Amino acid sequence: DAGITQSPRHKVTETGTPVTLRCHQTENHRYMYWYRQDPGHGLRLIHYSYGVKDTDKGEVSDGYSVSRSKTEDFLLTLESATSSQTSVYFCAISVGNEQFFGPGTRLTVL
Amino acid sequence: GESVGLHLPTLSVQEGDNSIINCAYSNSASDYFIWYKQESGKGPQFIIDIRSNMDKRQGQRVTVLLNKTVKHLSLQIAATQPGDSAVYFCAEPQNTGNQFYFGTGTSLTVIP
Repeated sequence: DAGITQSPRHKVTETGTPVTLRCHQTENHRYMYWYRQDPGHGLRLIHYSYGVKDTDKGEVSDGYSVSRSKTEDFLLTLESATSSQTSVYFCAISVGNEQFFGPGTRLTVL
Repeated sequence: GESVGLHLPTLSVQEGDNSIINCAYSNSASDYFIWYKQESGKGPQFIIDIRSNMDKRQGQRVTVLLNKTVKHLSLQIAATQPGDSAVYFCAEPQNTGNQFYFGTGTSLTVIP
């Protein structure tokens, strides 16, 4: 699992509330990613980071923000959750040509 | 934009048979491709990759074939086992660094 953990693993929240998901890695990898996975879609990139305080938008970044103040942590924030953000969220790191994924966070927005 | 897709969303095979999962890609400039396996409730796991200068690569019970002429790759699983039941999807790198396009996936069910 390349030392990747995600927290929480499951969360149910209400529309309009802020939510922060955490990705933690233990191996000092430079690149980290947040994806969402929905039925009928492949993994879609939300945001990614190429170093501390260096982040950039992915394909589906609207409604999400990220922060990376330490190499090991990459936070994904939904400032005001909407039902369309109900999804499974995966964090990943890249090592060479490969990406390694965390176990995922299932988020339900009611 | 570029896309990576799969021909079939579901595949059922008898235990012991061989499985073939297909993937079409559209970026002829991609220089490698990756296959992932995703079991229920888990994150995707790397299975095997292949570089564009190869047309075949073998791993343990898995073989990936690449046909650049028709921009198609396939994953073959030999002697499929119940533990192979999962969603399989391919990925190719985007032109901008360290990002990937992921296919939607094929769900493989192995019938005991």
